[in-house]
Amino acid sequence: DSGVTQTPKHLITATGQRVTLRCSPRSGDLSVYWYQQSLDQGLQFLIQYYNGEERAKGNILERFSAQQFPDLHSELNLSSLELGDSALYFCASSVDITNTGELFFGEGSRLTVL
Amino acid sequence: TQLLEQSPQFLSIQEGENLTVYCNSSSVFSSLQWYRQEPGEGPVLLVTVVTGGEVKKLKRLTFQFGDARKDSSLHITAAQTGDTGLYLCAETHRDDKIIFGKGTRLHILP
Repeated sequence: DSGVTQTPKHLITATGQRVTLRCSPRSGDLSVYWYQQSLDQGLQFLIQYYNGEERAKGNILERFSAQQFPDLHSELNLSSLELGDSALYFCASSVDITNTGELFFGEGSRLTVL
Repeated sequence: TQLLEQSPQFLSIQEGENLTVYCNSSSVFSSLQWYRQEPGEGPVLLVTVVTGGEVKKLKRLTFQFGDARKDSSLHITAAQTGDTGLYLCAETHRDDKIIFGKGTRLHILP
């Protein structure tokens, strides 16, 4: 158990819909990262927050947005969903600001868009 | 853009055999992490290597960082079925993005 909690574990929805994925980081961790994993693209970095502020941005689509709340949990919002958005979405957390790359991952949210 | 190239993409070997997988970059790593991901789970950190030439051991796993810090290898001795999984290397870019390679999918046959 990494200590990172993600909900929901599975989500099935239709094209055009909007979903919210939630992540609670490990106790004491200030950084939250979101990744998308698909079979052909591997683990793709989406966005990172540190203590409520956006810190780094990756290949995140404009239809996607995220935030980190004062209690440090984070949400990833995916809207106008397309078939190609079907993937595993992982949240990870770390304690440090220096981005050593030592991340603790949740078990992921599997999104299926029909 | 620095890319992490991992090889081989797939590897299937018999239990008891030895194997090596690789992670390479066109640029110098500041540090490099190896993770293992099992089906249905998130990646789990195995090790961080920082110094060129560094060797770290984790039971039957040996991690090596190249002298020039542009490559790394993971050697598994006497593979076991429990070693099956996706092995990922990761690196932090200057812009603070933590980027992963596509991984080596390892299958150990009983």
